[in-house]
Amino acid sequence: DAGVTQSPTHLIKTRGQQVTLRCSPKSGHDTVSWYQQALGQGPQFIFQYYEEEERQRGNFPDRFSGHQFPNYSSELNVNALLLGDSALYLCASSLAPGTGGVVDIQYFGAGTRLSVL
Amino acid sequence: QKEVEQDPGPLSVPEGAIVSLNCTYSNSAFQYFMWYRQYSRKGPELLMYTYSSGNKEDGRFTAQVDKSSKYISLFIRDSQPSDSATYLCAMRPYSFNKFYFGSGTKLNVKP
Repeated sequence: DAGVTQSPTHLIKTRGQQVTLRCSPKSGHDTVSWYQQALGQGPQFIFQYYEEEERQRGNFPDRFSGHQFPNYSSELNVNALLLGDSALYLCASSLAPGTGGVVDIQYFGAGTRLSVL
Repeated sequence: QKEVEQDPGPLSVPEGAIVSLNCTYSNSAFQYFMWYRQYSRKGPELLMYTYSSGNKEDGRFTAQVDKSSKYISLFIRDSQPSDSATYLCAMRPYSFNKFYFGSGTKLNVKP
């Protein structure tokens, strides 16, 4: 049973560029959350997708956007990259509320390490 | 002030020691409390999950929640070198599926 998979593993971009990160949730999961983890910090919640819609959002600017596909996979897009966007981007999957799953059991992928030069 | 505070460490202990990891929080609405373990260059792995106050034990791990003090703890008994990792606490309110993480405590268990 494949867990949460993220691609690419590493990415190097320059300021002003745009980037797309991808995530495939754990088998059977339908909810995907994205986090940004700066070096030495805990993950910061970006947003969560369920039924192809953004359901919750953290304190991130509109430069951060996402998408969820019918197969539950998801993308995170970041426009106009800044040096401060350099971080590990984590995807976590879980079951949606009310489906009988324990919503708090989020399974994380290994992350995409983004470096902005 | 951050909503979740966690001592970054590093915490260095000898093998076999009892380890105590802690977090404090300010939002009284938090109802679900979790501990994650994160190895270098890996994603966080869920260790323990508790709802509201009380204790929960799983093998060598015990999680405690004291909502009156807004304080949660993770105890690791008979610590092993393989326990060396960063430990993250996380929590969320009852009605919103948005998680708040501590900054993580780095633990080093020496053989």
